[in-house]
Amino acid sequence: NAGVTQTPKFRILKIGQSMTLQCAQDMNHNYMYWYRQDPGMGLKLIYYSVGAGITDKGEVPNGYNVSRSTTEDFPLRLELAAPSQTSVYFCASSYGRYDTDTQYFGPGTRLTVL
Amino acid sequence: AQSVAQPEDQVNVAEGNPLTVKCTYSVSGNPYLFWYVQYPNRGLQFLLKYITGDNLVKGSYGFEAEFNKSQTSFHLKKPSALVSDSALYFCAVRERGDYKLSFGAGTTVTVRA
Repeated sequence: NAGVTQTPKFRILKIGQSMTLQCAQDMNHNYMYWYRQDPGMGLKLIYYSVGAGITDKGEVPNGYNVSRSTTEDFPLRLELAAPSQTSVYFCASSYGRYDTDTQYFGPGTRLTVL
Repeated sequence: AQSVAQPEDQVNVAEGNPLTVKCTYSVSGNPYLFWYVQYPNRGLQFLLKYITGDNLVKGSYGFEAEFNKSQTSFHLKKPSALVSDSALYFCAVRERGDYKLSFGAGTTVTVRA
C-alpha cells in the first residue's frame, strides 16, 4: 500500500512553460485535494475532487486546472507558469464518506518558476 | 468561515522537557480538529484528531491534545520532548458537514539535546 504518491519531487520551470503534477492514491479514497504550501502561510487549498469526473475550486485556483478521470489519479495542470506559483505542492486524499475522515498527504512536489 | 491561528512561529525546548504547541480556532458550529507534523522535505503526517467525546485526545509518538471549547483551543502536548520531535507542526479545523480543512500557518518546534 503506497498511500499517496506524487511526481516529480522537484521541478524548475521557466515563466510561461506548462507542466502537470501527478498524484495517485491506492487507498480507494473518493476525495482528493491539491494544496500549495508557502513559507509562513500554512496550506492553501487549490482544487478538490469528490469523485471521478467531479472537481471544484478551493481558495486559490487561479492559474491551475485539474481533472479526475479515475478514482486513483488527480493531476494538477499549470498552463502558463508564473513566479507566484513557486511553492511546494501537496496532494492529499480521504475516504470522504464522513466529514470526520482524515486526509492523508503525499510527499510533495517542490516547484520553482524562474 | 473557519480559520485557525497558531500564535507561535517557533517553540524551543530542551530534550526531556514538556512541549506545548498552541492552536486556536474559529468556526460557526462544532469543529473537528486535527494536528499534523511535517519533517524536513517530507509530506504531512497525521498525528491526532478531535471529533467528539473526551476532550483529551491521544495520538501518535506520545502526543496528545486537549480540546477546550470555551477557549476555542486545541493545544498539542508531549510530556517529554525528544530531539526527533523537531519538525513543523500544523493545526487544522474542519466544520461539521464540510470536507475542506483550514490550516494554521505552522509552528516550528526545535528540541535541543
